[in-house]
Amino acid sequence: AQSVSQHNHHVILSEAASLELGCNYSYGGTVNLFWYVQYPGQHLQLLLKYFSGDPLVKGIKGFEAEFIKSKFSFNLRKPSVQWSDTAEYFCAVNRYSSASKIIFGSGTRLSIRP
Amino acid sequence: GAGVSQSPSNKVTEKGKDVELRCDPISGHTALYWYRQSLGQGLEFLIYFQGNSAPDKSGLPSDRFSAERTGGSVSTLTIQRTQQEDSAVYLCASSSRSATSGRLSEQYFGPGTRLTVT
Repeated sequence: AQSVSQHNHHVILSEAASLELGCNYSYGGTVNLFWYVQYPGQHLQLLLKYFSGDPLVKGIKGFEAEFIKSKFSFNLRKPSVQWSDTAEYFCAVNRYSSASKIIFGSGTRLSIRP
Repeated sequence: GAGVSQSPSNKVTEKGKDVELRCDPISGHTALYWYRQSLGQGLEFLIYFQGNSAPDKSGLPSDRFSAERTGGSVSTLTIQRTQQEDSAVYLCASSSRSATSGRLSEQYFGPGTRLTVT
């Protein structure tokens, strides 16, 4: 069965540190890839997405993600985190199919120390 | 424009009662999803609609849970004989499908319904 793995369950960083959150998926075909963020008390919102083209995707708030097809990975990065980046981050994958759904990883909780 | 809306925003019910949760997707979105998010947990997929049909109901935890969608728009999630373990935030999301590739686009989430079973 198709799955999405986020190996980091809880990451704690200091402000200005660099961030990389891992995401791996199990499907070998053509995929769409997403990162969603849920700030405390708010609902899920899209951070960035990859459909095709340049595998390095820029998102909102200085986030970026790189699709490495050979590694089945779509890791999220930010060069310098801020306290306001404290949130839960979810990776999601949709495989190319006429009737497929979007599958979410279990999420990574990011805590930033001021 | 209008996003995904859900009602009620909060629902407190007694154990054993039935509840209905409503989702209004973004107009024109053919795909609709229900998820459950328990405290400190990730997203638990419940059911996926494409139009009015549900090709994937694999996430419904028991036969007490059911969902329907009418007119390719509004969806209701019904939980019968609620139990305390049903307490969670129930999220609805919708997405469109590309006219050229057929791929589903990103999901837009509603604010959720917080269900508390006492």
